[in-house]
Amino acid sequence: AQSVSQHNHHVILSEAASLELGCNYSYGGTVNLFWYVQYPGQHLQLLLKYFSGDPLVKGIKGFEAEFIKSKFSFNLRKPSVQWSDTAEYFCAVKGGQAGTALIFGKGTTLSVSS
Amino acid sequence: DAGVTQSPTHLIKTRGQHVTLRCSPISGHKSVSWYQQVLGQGPQFIFQYYEKEERGRGNFPDRFSARQFPNYSSELNVNALLLGDSALYLCASSPRTGGGNTEAFFGQGTRLTVV
Repeated sequence: AQSVSQHNHHVILSEAASLELGCNYSYGGTVNLFWYVQYPGQHLQLLLKYFSGDPLVKGIKGFEAEFIKSKFSFNLRKPSVQWSDTAEYFCAVKGGQAGTALIFGKGTTLSVSS
Repeated sequence: DAGVTQSPTHLIKTRGQHVTLRCSPISGHKSVSWYQQVLGQGPQFIFQYYEKEERGRGNFPDRFSARQFPNYSSELNVNALLLGDSALYLCASSPRTGGGNTEAFFGQGTRLTVV
């Protein structure tokens, strides 16, 4: 079955530090890749998505992610985090063995101190 | 524009009871999916409905069922509740079946506590 692994359970950073969150998925054919964010008390929101084309995708709030097909990875990056980026981040995959269902990783909690 | 709306927002039920959760998709969206998010985990896929037909089912027992109405709203039903059913239940809507290059938009969820 399709699966998604997020390497970091909890990341703690100071403001202005750079961020990279790892995400790997199991091979299952052509997939769509997503990063969702859940701010405290709010619903899941889409940060960015990859369907095809340029493997470097840019999302909202200065986030970007790079799809590396050979490594089955879709890591999330931000050059300089802000206190307001404190949230839980989920990597998700759709397609391949998963069909139309979104398969989520366990999530990474990001805490940014000011 | 209204997003995905779910009701109720919070719910407390006793073991063995039945529960119905409701979801209204974004206007114009025909696909609704249901996910269960247990504390500390990512959302897990339960069902997907498109045009009132079930299009996908996750690895959940038969106690879980769902349906979609002509106005594309949806209900998730859970029978014979167990303590382990305590979770945040998320509804997501998509414009089409969800396959191909489409994204899902999530509601705030219903927090179910089984005691």
